[in-house]
Amino acid sequence: GAVVSQHPSWVICKSGTSVKIECRSLDFQATTMFWYRQFPKQSLMLMATSNEGSKATYEQGVEKDKFLINHASLTLSTLTVTSAHPEDSSFYICSATQRKVYNEQFFGPGTRLTVL
Amino acid sequence: GENVEQHPSTLSVQEGDSAVIKCTYSDSASNYFPWYKQELGKGPQLIIDIRSNVGEKKDQRIAVTLNKTAKHFSLHITETQPEDSAVYFCAPISGTYKYIFGTGTRLKVLA
Repeated sequence: GAVVSQHPSWVICKSGTSVKIECRSLDFQATTMFWYRQFPKQSLMLMATSNEGSKATYEQGVEKDKFLINHASLTLSTLTVTSAHPEDSSFYICSATQRKVYNEQFFGPGTRLTVL
Repeated sequence: GENVEQHPSTLSVQEGDSAVIKCTYSDSASNYFPWYKQELGKGPQLIIDIRSNVGEKKDQRIAVTLNKTAKHFSLHITETQPEDSAVYFCAPISGTYKYIFGTGTRLKVLA
Protein backbone atom coordinates (compact mmCIF):
# COMPACT_ATOMS: atom_id res chain seq x y z
CA GLY A 1 0.00 0.00 0.00
CA ALA A 2 0.84 3.74 -0.10
CA VAL A 3 2.35 3.79 -3.58
CA VAL A 4 3.17 7.03 -5.36
CA SER A 5 3.98 7.11 -9.06
CA GLN A 6 5.48 9.78 -11.27
CA HIS A 7 5.30 10.25 -15.00
CA PRO A 8 7.45 10.54 -16.95
CA SER A 9 10.47 8.95 -15.30
CA TRP A 10 12.73 11.06 -17.48
CA VAL A 11 12.29 13.80 -20.04
CA ILE A 12 14.56 15.78 -22.32
CA CYS A 13 13.35 19.08 -23.71
CA LYS A 14 14.63 22.11 -25.53
CA SER A 15 15.30 25.39 -23.77
CA GLY A 16 12.22 27.61 -23.73
CA THR A 17 9.66 24.81 -23.78
CA SER A 18 7.37 23.72 -20.95
CA VAL A 19 7.31 20.32 -19.31
CA LYS A 20 4.59 18.75 -17.18
CA ILE A 21 5.32 16.10 -14.55
CA GLU A 22 2.53 14.07 -12.97
CA CYS A 23 2.43 12.67 -9.45
CA ARG A 24 -0.22 10.15 -8.50
CA SER A 25 -1.10 8.39 -5.28
CA LEU A 26 -2.22 4.97 -6.50
CA ASP A 27 -3.93 3.41 -3.50
CA PHE A 28 -4.75 6.24 -1.13
CA GLN A 29 -6.15 9.74 -1.12
CA ALA A 30 -3.46 12.34 -0.64
CA THR A 31 -4.64 15.41 1.19
CA THR A 32 -1.24 17.00 0.73
CA MET A 33 1.44 16.55 -1.90
CA PHE A 34 4.95 17.94 -1.91
CA TRP A 35 7.41 18.68 -4.70
CA TYR A 36 11.16 18.46 -4.18
CA ARG A 37 14.14 19.18 -6.37
CA GLN A 38 17.44 17.38 -6.04
CA PHE A 39 20.65 18.38 -7.79
CA PRO A 40 23.42 15.80 -8.24
CA LYS A 41 25.00 14.68 -4.99
CA GLN A 42 22.85 17.05 -2.98
CA SER A 43 19.97 16.70 -0.57
CA LEU A 44 16.29 17.06 -1.41
CA MET A 45 15.04 20.63 -1.28
CA LEU A 46 11.34 21.29 -0.79
CA MET A 47 9.92 23.45 -3.56
CA ALA A 48 6.24 23.64 -2.69
CA THR A 49 3.38 22.12 -0.78
CA SER A 50 -0.02 21.62 -2.33
CA ASN A 51 -3.36 20.74 -0.81
CA GLU A 52 -6.17 19.41 -2.93
CA GLY A 53 -8.35 22.19 -4.28
CA SER A 54 -6.23 25.07 -3.07
CA LYS A 55 -3.22 27.05 -4.24
CA ALA A 56 0.23 25.69 -3.62
CA THR A 57 2.51 27.18 -1.02
CA TYR A 58 5.97 27.83 -2.40
CA GLU A 59 9.21 27.84 -0.46
CA GLN A 60 11.32 30.96 -0.38
CA GLY A 61 13.29 31.41 -3.58
CA VAL A 62 11.06 29.20 -5.73
CA GLU A 63 9.36 31.09 -8.57
CA LYS A 64 5.68 30.26 -8.54
CA ASP A 65 5.20 31.54 -12.10
CA LYS A 66 7.92 29.24 -13.35
CA PHE A 67 6.93 26.11 -11.44
CA LEU A 68 3.17 25.77 -11.76
CA ILE A 69 1.57 23.27 -9.42
CA ASN A 70 -1.95 21.95 -9.73
CA HIS A 71 -3.50 19.58 -7.21
CA ALA A 72 -6.84 19.02 -8.88
CA SER A 73 -7.82 15.81 -7.15
CA LEU A 74 -6.94 13.75 -4.10
CA THR A 75 -4.80 11.45 -6.21
CA LEU A 76 -3.11 13.74 -8.72
CA SER A 77 -0.75 16.68 -8.58
CA THR A 78 1.13 18.14 -11.53
CA LEU A 79 4.26 20.26 -11.73
CA THR A 80 4.77 22.27 -14.91
CA VAL A 81 8.17 23.78 -15.52
CA THR A 82 7.50 26.72 -17.81
CA SER A 83 10.05 28.14 -20.23
CA ALA A 84 12.62 25.63 -19.06
CA HIS A 85 16.32 26.49 -19.12
CA PRO A 86 19.39 24.30 -18.65
CA GLU A 87 19.69 25.36 -15.01
CA ASP A 88 16.28 23.76 -14.39
CA SER A 89 17.77 20.37 -15.19
CA SER A 90 17.38 18.33 -12.04
CA PHE A 91 15.72 15.34 -10.40
CA TYR A 92 12.16 16.23 -9.37
CA ILE A 93 10.53 14.11 -6.68
CA CYS A 94 7.01 14.27 -5.34
CA SER A 95 5.62 12.88 -2.11
CA ALA A 96 2.17 12.50 -0.66
CA THR A 97 0.68 12.25 2.76
CA GLN A 98 -2.71 11.18 3.97
CA ARG A 99 -2.91 13.64 6.79
CA LYS A 100 -1.81 17.21 7.04
CA VAL A 101 0.39 16.97 10.09
CA TYR A 102 2.91 14.65 11.70
CA ASN A 103 2.64 11.88 9.21
CA GLU A 104 4.80 9.80 6.97
CA GLN A 105 5.34 11.01 3.45
CA PHE A 106 5.36 8.48 0.63
CA PHE A 107 7.77 9.35 -2.13
CA GLY A 108 7.52 8.86 -5.86
CA PRO A 109 10.38 7.42 -7.93
CA GLY A 110 11.40 10.81 -9.29
CA THR A 111 11.58 12.42 -12.73
CA ARG A 112 14.89 13.30 -14.34
CA LEU A 113 14.54 16.53 -16.35
CA THR A 114 17.26 17.50 -18.81
CA VAL A 115 16.95 20.82 -20.60
CA LEU A 116 19.15 21.23 -23.67
CA GLY B 1 14.90 27.84 10.15
CA GLU B 2 15.56 24.24 10.98
CA ASN B 3 19.16 23.15 10.61
CA VAL B 4 19.72 19.43 9.99
CA GLU B 5 23.18 17.94 9.67
CA GLN B 6 24.40 14.42 9.17
CA HIS B 7 27.73 12.87 10.00
CA PRO B 8 29.65 11.43 8.42
CA SER B 9 29.02 12.60 4.87
CA THR B 10 30.60 9.44 3.48
CA LEU B 11 31.14 6.09 5.13
CA SER B 12 32.88 2.97 3.85
CA VAL B 13 32.60 -0.29 5.77
CA GLN B 14 33.52 -3.87 5.13
CA GLU B 15 30.67 -6.26 4.49
CA GLY B 16 29.44 -7.65 7.79
CA ASP B 17 30.56 -4.66 9.83
CA SER B 18 28.23 -2.13 11.43
CA ALA B 19 27.49 1.40 10.24
CA VAL B 20 26.26 4.33 12.30
CA ILE B 21 25.01 7.64 10.92
CA LYS B 22 24.15 10.55 13.17
CA CYS B 23 21.59 13.28 12.50
CA THR B 24 21.66 16.51 14.48
CA TYR B 25 18.76 18.94 14.35
CA SER B 26 18.05 22.33 15.83
CA ASP B 27 14.28 22.50 16.33
CA SER B 28 13.36 21.27 19.79
CA ALA B 29 9.73 20.93 18.63
CA SER B 30 10.62 18.05 16.31
CA ASN B 31 8.62 14.96 17.19
CA TYR B 32 8.92 12.56 14.23
CA PHE B 33 12.30 11.23 13.12
CA PRO B 34 12.48 9.15 9.92
CA TRP B 35 15.43 7.74 8.02
CA TYR B 36 15.30 7.35 4.25
CA LYS B 37 17.43 5.30 1.87
CA GLN B 38 17.94 6.59 -1.65
CA GLU B 39 19.46 4.47 -4.36
CA LEU B 40 20.89 6.04 -7.49
CA GLY B 41 18.22 7.49 -9.74
CA LYS B 42 15.36 6.60 -7.40
CA GLY B 43 13.15 8.34 -4.89
CA PRO B 44 13.77 8.02 -1.14
CA GLN B 45 12.36 5.03 0.69
CA LEU B 46 11.50 5.03 4.37
CA ILE B 47 13.53 2.41 6.20
CA ILE B 48 12.78 3.20 9.83
CA ASP B 49 11.23 5.95 11.91
CA ILE B 50 10.76 6.86 15.55
CA ARG B 51 8.52 9.20 17.46
CA SER B 52 9.56 11.41 20.34
CA ASN B 53 8.00 9.27 23.06
CA VAL B 54 10.34 6.37 22.26
CA GLY B 55 14.11 6.20 22.73
CA GLU B 56 14.96 3.29 20.47
CA LYS B 57 13.37 1.18 17.75
CA LYS B 58 14.72 -1.86 15.97
CA ASP B 59 13.72 -3.67 12.80
CA GLN B 60 15.94 -6.66 12.03
CA ARG B 61 19.37 -5.25 11.06
CA ILE B 62 18.29 -1.63 11.32
CA ALA B 63 17.79 0.44 14.46
CA VAL B 64 17.24 4.07 15.32
CA THR B 65 18.09 5.73 18.63
CA LEU B 66 16.86 9.13 19.73
CA ASN B 67 18.31 11.60 22.21
CA LYS B 68 15.82 14.47 22.37
CA THR B 69 17.75 16.31 25.05
CA ALA B 70 20.84 16.50 22.86
CA LYS B 71 18.72 16.86 19.69
CA HIS B 72 20.18 14.06 17.69
CA PHE B 73 19.14 10.64 16.44
CA SER B 74 21.18 7.89 14.84
CA LEU B 75 20.75 5.13 12.31
CA HIS B 76 22.43 1.83 13.10
CA ILE B 77 22.88 -0.88 10.47
CA THR B 78 24.38 -4.17 11.60
CA GLU B 79 25.80 -7.00 9.45
CA THR B 80 26.01 -4.67 6.46
CA GLN B 81 25.55 -6.09 2.99
CA PRO B 82 26.52 -4.68 -0.44
CA GLU B 83 22.86 -3.86 -1.12
CA ASP B 84 22.93 -1.46 1.83
CA SER B 85 25.14 0.82 -0.28
CA ALA B 86 23.12 3.97 -0.93
CA VAL B 87 22.64 7.52 0.29
CA TYR B 88 20.84 7.85 3.60
CA PHE B 89 18.88 10.92 4.67
CA CYS B 90 17.29 11.90 7.95
CA ALA B 91 14.27 14.21 7.85
CA PRO B 92 13.08 15.30 11.30
CA ILE B 93 9.70 16.99 11.33
CA SER B 94 9.24 20.04 13.45
CA GLY B 95 5.91 21.62 14.27
CA THR B 96 4.66 21.44 10.67
CA TYR B 97 4.43 18.61 8.23
CA LYS B 98 7.33 19.95 6.17
CA TYR B 99 10.29 17.64 5.95
CA ILE B 100 13.71 19.22 6.22
CA PHE B 101 16.13 16.71 4.79
CA GLY B 102 19.57 16.26 6.24
CA THR B 103 22.73 16.70 4.24
CA GLY B 104 22.91 13.01 3.38
CA THR B 105 25.40 10.21 4.04
CA ARG B 106 26.82 8.08 1.26
CA LEU B 107 27.34 4.56 2.55
CA LYS B 108 29.54 2.15 0.66
CA VAL B 109 29.70 -1.46 1.76
CA LEU B 110 32.79 -3.18 0.45
CA ALA B 111 32.45 -6.85 -0.43
